[in-house]
Amino acid sequence: GDSVTQMEGPVTLSEEAFLTINCTYTATGYPSLFWYVQYPGEGLQLLLKATKADDKGSNKGFEATYRKETTSFHLEKGSVQVSDSAVYFCALSRNYGQNFVFGPGTRLSVLP
Amino acid sequence: SQTIHQWPATLVQPVGSPLSLECTVEGTSNPNLYWYRQAAGRGLQLLFYSIGIDQISSEVPQNLSASRPQDRQFILSSKKLLLSDSGFYLCAWSLSGGNYGYTFGSGTRLTVV
Repeated sequence: GDSVTQMEGPVTLSEEAFLTINCTYTATGYPSLFWYVQYPGEGLQLLLKATKADDKGSNKGFEATYRKETTSFHLEKGSVQVSDSAVYFCALSRNYGQNFVFGPGTRLSVLP
Repeated sequence: SQTIHQWPATLVQPVGSPLSLECTVEGTSNPNLYWYRQAAGRGLQLLFYSIGIDQISSEVPQNLSASRPQDRQFILSSKKLLLSDSGFYLCAWSLSGGNYGYTFGSGTRLTVV
C-alpha cells in the first residue's frame, strides 16, 4: 500500500540555519504530495503542495520539489526562524483529495 | 470562505463515560469529512471518513463511531471511553474531487482518566 517516510526527529537548529526535512513515498501512479505544519496545541495547516512531477511548492520561505525519479518531496528553507518551531508532516493523496497518507511527522525546534 | 469548527478544545472524561465530539464546516457543500487521532508523540491515524450524509467508512476497528446527520456536520462518539482513547482528535474536510488538500480543525485534546 501507499506509505510516506520522513526523517526521524526531533531536529534542532539555530536561528537562520538551513533546513532540510527528508520525505520519501511509496505509491503507484502519480500521487499529489503535501507538507502540513502543526504548531504547538493547534491543528494541521497546509504549508505547500505539488500535484505532478517536477512541480515546486512554496510558501512562507519553504520549498519542496516533487521528484518522481527519487520518489521524494524534501522540505527546505534557507533561513529558519524561532517561529518555525513545529511538527511537519509529509503526506500524499492518490485519489483526488480523499484518504491522505501521512508520514509520522518531524518535530523542528529552532533556538534563538 | 470556508471554515471548519471543532469543539470542545479540551475534554477530560472518566473511563466508561460517553463521548461526543462535533465538527461543522461552513461555506461549502458536499465536503469529504475526516476524523483523525494523534496519540502523544505519534503520527496521525485516520479513524473515519465520509463522502456524504450517512456514508461513513471506518479505517480502524475500535471503541469509537462516527455519524454524519447533516451534509456539513460530522460527529465522533463513544459509548464507553477507554484510557487508550486519550489523544488529540482532528476533524478535516476536503473538496470532493481535485487535489486541493485537507483543511483541519483546531483539534480536541481528550484525556481519559
